[in-house]
Amino acid sequence: ELKVEQNPLFLSMQEGKNYTIYCNYSTTSDRLYWYRQDPGKSLESLFVLLSNGAVKQEGRLMASLDTKARLSTLHITAAVHDLSATYFCAVGSSNTGKLIFGQGTTLQVKP
Amino acid sequence: DADVTQTPRNRITKTGKRIMLECSQTKGHDRMYWYRQDPGLGLRLIYYSFDVKDINKGEISDGYSVSRQAQAKFSLSLESAIPNQTALYFCASSGTGSAETQYFGPGTRLLVL
Repeated sequence: ELKVEQNPLFLSMQEGKNYTIYCNYSTTSDRLYWYRQDPGKSLESLFVLLSNGAVKQEGRLMASLDTKARLSTLHITAAVHDLSATYFCAVGSSNTGKLIFGQGTTLQVKP
Repeated sequence: DADVTQTPRNRITKTGKRIMLECSQTKGHDRMYWYRQDPGLGLRLIYYSFDVKDINKGEISDGYSVSRQAQAKFSLSLESAIPNQTALYFCASSGTGSAETQYFGPGTRLLVL
């Protein structure tokens, strides 16, 4: 059974600081997604990672994938308040089309 | 206009009542999904459908049923609602390509009293 675990589950940080969110998964997968959810809102796709060593960057966010370690990271550089949200990783399979989500990491960026 | 829409957006019902949540998408996607979100648990898959004639159970299908009325429409029913089905429900759709992401609707907040 595929399980996905994120840590930390809650992160409070100062503006301008760097931090990393970790996403571990339990079985082989060929795709990993990162989503953002603002309070009371829907989920917005951030990144899709499809191969070992894949790295994608958008603004202050950078996601990477290590399929051998079954680990993805979402790195935040010089955080700003607008990045405050809950971030989910989700692991899927091209065979089943299903996604299994992590618990989510709530990020609070303080001025 | 939103690509994935859900109705209603909020619903309060009583234990034992039957309710239906509806989802429509204008993206031309074949695949559609229903999830529920509970605090601290992320999103859990209830049912998914890869085309009109293909419907599959997800992680937590007990107490729920679905209907895929057309490529663009996927409904979720609670046959006899119970309080622990109080949650935020999301519908999503996706294409069938190798890098397809899922696009989520705005969510339906359901309270079962």
